[in-house]
Amino acid sequence: DAKTTQPPSMDCAEGRAANLPCNHSTISGNEYVYWYRQIHSQGPQYIIHGLKNNETNEMASLIITEDRKSSTLILPHATLRDTAVYYCIVRPRGGDMRFGAGTRLTVKP
Amino acid sequence: ETGVTQTPRHLVMGMTNKKSLKCEQHLGHNAMYWYKQSAKKPLELMFVYSLEERVENNSVPSRFSPECPNSSHLFLHLHTLQPEDSALYLCASSQVRGQQNYGYTFGSGTRLTVV
Repeated sequence: DAKTTQPPSMDCAEGRAANLPCNHSTISGNEYVYWYRQIHSQGPQYIIHGLKNNETNEMASLIITEDRKSSTLILPHATLRDTAVYYCIVRPRGGDMRFGAGTRLTVKP
Repeated sequence: ETGVTQTPRHLVMGMTNKKSLKCEQHLGHNAMYWYKQSAKKPLELMFVYSLEERVENNSVPSRFSPECPNSSHLFLHLHTLQPEDSALYLCASSQVRGQQNYGYTFGSGTRLTVV
């Protein structure tokens, strides 16, 4: 499975957009990019996923570069409740979901 | 009830005890998973069940014994645990169709403390 690299921590001001980067330079053609988040001591929550096109849902937007070697998760208007650990996962079609260390996002008032 | 439910939410057990963690999913999924999350560590995939058959065991010690009696229920039987087994144990489920394995839905976890 392709490895991902994320910054260990980031801060964001409440009401501003949070942009969380992820590098996955060894991603292969059949691997999807998934994003989950985990609020303290709860189970991870699905946010969004994509293959090569940009995706948007009610929670976030996912921007994948044309070469697919990196992606950015965008929370358009961060709130205090968005404080969590965000995981970027590269997963082959039909493969298991394997988590790395993620990025700890702190939204500050 | 909806989603993935795990019981108990908290468990304290001695090293000589035997206990079981329970997971139940109400999503009609056909695959279930156990993960372990130790303090300040990433989630580790322990066991994978697809269509009620175990398809993966990631070198987990035999003191952890999973059971999947049907597609809605998953158990993790614990015996002779060590203090380092204290962790948050998370259950997840997903739908598998052919080569497609859709996103996972997680439960809230069982916080296990071994004393």
